[in-house]
Amino acid sequence: GQNIDQPTEMTATEGAIVQINCTYQTSGFNGLFWYQQHAGEAPTFLSYNVLDGLEEKGRFSSFLSRSKGYSYLLLKELQMKDSASYLCAVLDSNYQLIWGAGTKLIIKP
Amino acid sequence: IAGITQAPTSQILAAGRRMTLRCTQDMRHNAMYWYRQDLGLGLRLIHYSNTAGTTGKGEVPDGYSVSRANTDDFPLTLASAVPSQTSVYFCASSLTGFTDTQYFGPGTRLTVL
Repeated sequence: GQNIDQPTEMTATEGAIVQINCTYQTSGFNGLFWYQQHAGEAPTFLSYNVLDGLEEKGRFSSFLSRSKGYSYLLLKELQMKDSASYLCAVLDSNYQLIWGAGTKLIIKP
Repeated sequence: IAGITQAPTSQILAAGRRMTLRCTQDMRHNAMYWYRQDLGLGLRLIHYSNTAGTTGKGEVPDGYSVSRANTDDFPLTLASAVPSQTSVYFCASSLTGFTDTQYFGPGTRLTVL
């Protein structure tokens, strides 16, 4: 079967750095997305990785290793507004998007 | 309208009733999607449409139907609602298909009693 694993919840301190991991076992791979979802709101796009390596976008970076079936989202200089759920989603060989359950990130002052 | 809208925002429905959730986008995106989101589970795709006039089944299509008469609108119908369909429903759109960034509507919170 197809599976996306993310930690259920993480806690970090304002101003710090946090890494949210995502491992996947899917039938093929055509890209990996990260979305942010604030409580009670819609998901919004953060990043898309299709090649191995690190993609940096401001305070957020996303890393992909296709051989390891692994990605992480790195958030730097954490702000209170970063408290949200972070969703990992993989595009499989049939171009279907498989979603993880999301990681709830709690930021403490 | 700017982006993607859904209606209603929330609804309480008696089991057995028919219900249509509305979704409209003004971005001229070809592809549209319906997801349900339940606590502890990832987003699950119900139905999708790659272009006006075509639809496809997602992971959990049973009990739901969709139509895509034009580019902008993608309604989701529950023919006879059951309590297990209690969920938050998100509509999304993307320019051409699954490889593109998806833009989500604000969601409809549906409770079936």
